[in-house]
Amino acid sequence: NAGVTQTPKFQVLKTGQSMTLQCAQDMNHNSMYWYRQDPGMGLRLIYYSASEGTTDKGEVPNGYNVSRLNKREFSLRLESAAPSQTSVYFCASSIQGRSNQPQHFGDGTRLSIL
Amino acid sequence: AQSVTQLGSHVSVSEGALVLLRCNYSSSVPPYLFWYVQYPNQGLQLLLKYTSAATLVKGINDFEAEFKKSETSFHLTKPSAHMSDAAEYFCAVSPGNQFYFGTGTSLTVIP
Repeated sequence: NAGVTQTPKFQVLKTGQSMTLQCAQDMNHNSMYWYRQDPGMGLRLIYYSASEGTTDKGEVPNGYNVSRLNKREFSLRLESAAPSQTSVYFCASSIQGRSNQPQHFGDGTRLSIL
Repeated sequence: AQSVTQLGSHVSVSEGALVLLRCNYSSSVPPYLFWYVQYPNQGLQLLLKYTSAATLVKGINDFEAEFKKSETSFHLTKPSAHMSDAAEYFCAVSPGNQFYFGTGTSLTVIP
């Protein structure tokens, strides 16, 4: 069982470059999420998609865009990368966007912006 | 606003000793609460969750947590630490369709 798959696992960008992080889940989940993890700050929600066709901003959406391509896939795009976006990015999914449902995480994308 | 506070960003215990990781939440209503573990270079894995069925929740690998409404706490414990328990632990609260994570506690197990 693959669960949540993120690509790529590592990436180095130059300031101003653009990039799309890919995420796919095979658990037939309705809700998907993008987080960033920074030392000492835990996980912060960037965007989420409660169901196919909908997306909403989280705590730190500035500098990012998302696309819920279909039920399985949820991508995160950096249009013009900045050093402050150096982080580890995690995609997660849950059965539905209900508070008692746990989220399932991918292994992360480690992104460095020079 | 919802928030989660994990007291102690680093905790060290000896192998075989009790593990206690602290989590306090702020919420206007009893929320749903979760503990996750993160091993190096991996994503977060669910340890256990509280969904109001019972105040003492048992999870994987002998971890358990007790929900105390009067103290707004959801502390994680394990009777006897193993070397394999060394990891980062995150408490999370879910009042709605979003999760709010604590800043994490790094557990070191000393042989």
